[in-house]
Amino acid sequence: RKEVEQDPGPFNVPEGATVAFNCTYSNSASQSFFWYRQDCRKEPKLLMSVYSSGNEDGRFTAQLNRASQYISLLIRDSKLSDSATYLCVVKPGGYQKVTFGTGTKLQVIP
Amino acid sequence: GAGVSQSPSNKVTEKGKDVELRCDPISGHTALYWYRQSLGQGLEFLIYFQGNSAPDKSGLPSDRFSAERTGGSVSTLTIQRTQQEDSAVYLCASSLFGTGSYEQYFGPGTRLTVT
Repeated sequence: RKEVEQDPGPFNVPEGATVAFNCTYSNSASQSFFWYRQDCRKEPKLLMSVYSSGNEDGRFTAQLNRASQYISLLIRDSKLSDSATYLCVVKPGGYQKVTFGTGTKLQVIP
Repeated sequence: GAGVSQSPSNKVTEKGKDVELRCDPISGHTALYWYRQSLGQGLEFLIYFQGNSAPDKSGLPSDRFSAERTGGSVSTLTIQRTQQEDSAVYLCASSLFGTGSYEQYFGPGTRLTVT
């Protein structure tokens, strides 16, 4: 089983739609979780951290389910500018590397 | 302030040649990471530095790949005897610390093409 797994998509959704992505992880000792966004031929950039209690940033909501070992990202009222690949990132505690998922591609259609 | 910089931005080399890729992290960031990304693929972890030491170099694909970091700052990734399958974008990232929930800031990458 891969350390971090994501549905590669693409998810093609109309403007204004709500879309959700999940990401599963295999290491139960993982402590830190993030969503990054990567635009085509650009470097990844942090979208948001994921906290145990769940957190929201505008139209974006991130959730963590430790029991089932997955994190989710919900995007409400999708905009054309949300089109990108969304990378799930998981990190154990201590001085250990982060692991990136392969990403989920989102295409928002006019 | 200045972000992570990488050089060169593009490198075309012949198979069998050695290449050096450079990363300048954000000043004061103690953790530095190298990844590679092939076209349409996810990020592949290569090596992680905490200060000048590398707690995790498990991602280096072969002994042709090596990396060092000096003065807790600049890092160099060296690929010896390059092969066509080494063609990819090599991304460097830095974070304030290696522990905890610290954001990784990525450089723009070096696009390596081996002909």
